[in-house]
Amino acid sequence: DQQVKQNSPSLSVQEGRISILNCDYTNSMFDYFLWYKKYPAEGPTFLISISSIKDKNEDGRFTVFLNKSAKHLSLHIVPSQPGDSAVYFCAAIPWSDDMRFGAGTRLTVKP
Amino acid sequence: DTAVSQTPKYLVTQMGNDKSIKCEQNLGHDTMYWYKQDSKKFLKIMFSYNNKELIINETVPNRFSPKSPDKAHLNLHINSLELGDSAVYFCASSQGRGGQPQHFGDGTRLSIL
Repeated sequence: DQQVKQNSPSLSVQEGRISILNCDYTNSMFDYFLWYKKYPAEGPTFLISISSIKDKNEDGRFTVFLNKSAKHLSLHIVPSQPGDSAVYFCAAIPWSDDMRFGAGTRLTVKP
Repeated sequence: DTAVSQTPKYLVTQMGNDKSIKCEQNLGHDTMYWYKQDSKKFLKIMFSYNNKELIINETVPNRFSPKSPDKAHLNLHINSLELGDSAVYFCASSQGRGGQPQHFGDGTRLSIL
C-alpha cells in the first residue's frame, strides 16, 4: 500500500523560476514529513522537514507547505538553479514507526 | 570523512550464493536502517535497529538478516540469493527514530546473474 504518493515522475523548469514538487499521503497518523534530494549513484540527502503541527517551513530557497485537510504537501524551490536537478523524494513518518517514501520526482532545471 | 559508508558499491554474484554488505556510520547515531530500492525506484524499509530493538518489515524474507557488532555498524547478510534480490540497497542512520532526518549511504547495487 503506497501511503505516500508523488504522482509526477518528472518536472522541467527554467533556471530562475519556481519549482513546485507535490506529494499526497493517505495516513493521517503521519507526524513528520521530509523531503530528500538524490543525485545519481548517491544516497538520498535530507533537505527539509515539517512537523504535522505546522503548515509551512522555510530554509533558504526551499519552502515546504503542508495542507493537512487535503493530505498534501509541496516543496517550493525559488529561484531554481541547474544544480537543483535531481530526484526529489517525499517521505512521511508516524511517531515511533518507520519512514515511508514516495516514488520520487525527477526535477530538471534548464539553464 | 563520509558520514554513512557502505561497501561494496557494486556486487555481482550468482543465484544461490551468500553475500554481505557492510555499513558504518561515524555520526554517533543510535539507530540504523536498511532500505531496498527496487526497479520501480521505491525506497522500502527493510530493517530498523538500535541497541534495544530490531524491527523487521514483515515482507522481508528471512534470508535477509542484519548484524550489528556495535552501534556504528549494521551489516546486511543475504543467504541463498535469488534473481529478485537484484536492487540497490541503502544503509541509513539517525539519532533516535520518530521525525529525525536519516542520513544515507551511497547505496550498494546488487546484481544477481
